[in-house]
Amino acid sequence: DTAVSQTPKYLVTQMGNDKSIKCEQNLGHDTMYWYKQDSKKFLKIMFSYNNKELIINETVPNRFSPKSPDKAHLNLHINSLELGDSAVYFCASSQVAGYNYGYTFGSGTRLTVV
Amino acid sequence: LAKTTQPISMDSYEGQEVNITCSHNNIATNDYITWYQQFPSQGPRFIIQGYKTKVTNEVASLFIPADRKSSTLSLPRVSLSDTAVYYCLVDGGPYKAAGNKLTFGGGTRVLVKP
Repeated sequence: DTAVSQTPKYLVTQMGNDKSIKCEQNLGHDTMYWYKQDSKKFLKIMFSYNNKELIINETVPNRFSPKSPDKAHLNLHINSLELGDSAVYFCASSQVAGYNYGYTFGSGTRLTVV
Repeated sequence: LAKTTQPISMDSYEGQEVNITCSHNNIATNDYITWYQQFPSQGPRFIIQGYKTKVTNEVASLFIPADRKSSTLSLPRVSLSDTAVYYCLVDGGPYKAAGNKLTFGGGTRVLVKP
């Protein structure tokens, strides 16, 4: 009964390939996010969707494209992978209602581009 | 750039109280202060959230002075399992977010020794 689940947990791929990371939440939250955690442990927001609508789109290369088929799913597709894309990617969700909107994170996908 | 400043690391011993202070001089009226805990190979986990004064739950206390320009997370009687990275996040939710407001800083690495 994992709240926010991501697949795969590890992803090793060659430069130039296209890959996808999937995320699902069973909390009934209306907002989902993708974060990138770099080697210095900074967690940077990439995208946010609310009920399938894109509401945050940070300065991220066009090669990154989020897709939200429904409010429980938010996938991340990455084209033409580069070495600098190596990082841990976290999916998160929250309920934007009232004042208690803490984020629930998945366990992360460690992407290694070789 | 993150809008919060925390110490990079802190060491403590089992049974002691650990206090981590986060500076957020540019906090906005709508912003809440939330603390997260992250273990290796896991996503951040919500610990506590507050707006002003003091908040306490079963795992921590959060002290926020009247000017709200800083906050202190207090972990009472830590154990070895409290060794983790602790992040302070200041934001008003995704709809009020502006870019880096939803970006976490580098966090504070807390090491609890026997």
